[in-house]
Amino acid sequence: NAGVTQTPKFRVLKTGQSMTLLCAQDMNHEYMYWYRQDPGMGLRLIHYSVGEGTTAKGEVPDGYNVSRLKKQNFLLGLESAAPSQTSVYFCASSHQRAVTDTQYFGPGTRLTVL
Amino acid sequence: DQQVKQNSPSLSVQEGRISILNCDYTNSMFDYFLWYKKYPAEGPTFLISISSIKDKNEDGRFTVFLNKSAKHLSLHIVPSQPGDSAVYFCAVNAGNNRKLIWGLGTSLAVNP
Repeated sequence: NAGVTQTPKFRVLKTGQSMTLLCAQDMNHEYMYWYRQDPGMGLRLIHYSVGEGTTAKGEVPDGYNVSRLKKQNFLLGLESAAPSQTSVYFCASSHQRAVTDTQYFGPGTRLTVL
Repeated sequence: DQQVKQNSPSLSVQEGRISILNCDYTNSMFDYFLWYKKYPAEGPTFLISISSIKDKNEDGRFTVFLNKSAKHLSLHIVPSQPGDSAVYFCAVNAGNNRKLIWGLGTSLAVNP
């Protein structure tokens, strides 16, 4: 099993450009999450999905959109990138059938917006 | 205001000694607590967890203690090894939607 994979690993954008980050998991998990990690801020939840075709907002959803068309994939889109979106983005997935189900993380995407 | 606090940004320990990482939380309704470990250029990985019905959970060299009255938990690593050098995040699984609330992390350095 590959677990959780993220594409791309690195990306540099100019302000105003758009891009999509792809997350894929092969563990048949229902729940998927997108986080961003910034220095001194810990991990903050951007959006999450509790199943195929559903999405919900997290703590910091502004400037991002997501889609979960297939159970194994969760896409994070930036329509018009801003320097404030420079960050490391992590995708995670879990069963979440019980409070004891843990989240499994991908390796991260380092995004720089100039 | 932060609901999960890790007040020590960094900790340095000698190999073979005990490492103690601390975490405080604000809401007495939180019912499940987790520790994740993160190496540079990798995603966080689950380390150990504890339910609010327990006060201790042990897994090999790692033990988590929960003090509900003080709203405090700690992670003990004994003995510490250089491979334990990483950032450790405390997280709380809060509420029915199962979202995690994260601390800012503590960077542990275990010196040979």
